[in-house]
Amino acid sequence: AQTVTQSQPEMSVQEAETVTLSCTYDTSENNYYLFWYKQPPSRQMILVIRQEAYKQQNATENRFSVNFQKAAKSFSLKISDSQLGDTAMYFCAFMNPIPGNQFYFGTGTSLTVIP
Amino acid sequence: EAGVTQSPTHLIKTRGQQATLRCSPISGHTSVYWYQQALGLGLQFLLWYDEGEERNRGNFPPRFSGRQFPNYSSELNVNALELEDSALYLCASSLTTGPGGYGYTFGSGTRLTVV
Repeated sequence: AQTVTQSQPEMSVQEAETVTLSCTYDTSENNYYLFWYKQPPSRQMILVIRQEAYKQQNATENRFSVNFQKAAKSFSLKISDSQLGDTAMYFCAFMNPIPGNQFYFGTGTSLTVIP
Repeated sequence: EAGVTQSPTHLIKTRGQQATLRCSPISGHTSVYWYQQALGLGLQFLLWYDEGEERNRGNFPPRFSGRQFPNYSSELNVNALELEDSALYLCASSLTTGPGGYGYTFGSGTRLTVV
């Protein structure tokens, strides 16, 4: 069974600073995908970044980047130049394409950006 | 392009009653997924429908059921409601052939409260 663990229930960061959110996962699969999703008060889950397990290069999307350590089963999210709009719940998620594209989510980290 | 739409936004039911939640996927998407997000927990996978068939279900009792219509919209039914069923129910849609979560889009959810 796949499990995803986020050990930081709450975090805060000063505006313009950098923050790192941690995530570990457990799987016996070799081909899978990892994601970070953001959930603002609007409740809609918004994709932040996606990583394919077979790619060693860490994914980046503007101010967001990941540190993917496959052997350690670790997938942390770094947010640079934090902005007030980054305040949200952040969920780490794992996807094994077989039997079908369903996610396994962590319990989330509530991030607050302080002005 | 319209996103994934869910109705109603909020739903209040009495214990023992039945609840029906609805989801319209993005045009062209054939797969619909249902997730439960209880307070303090991450999203838990409920059901996956594709081409009108139930393809997979999560670790939930049979009182959670649903269906997918010919236009790919979907309905989630929860029978014999219990207080612990109070949660945000999120629907997502994707292309069946979408590899590893590409195009996977969430709706804004239905907040179900059981009193």
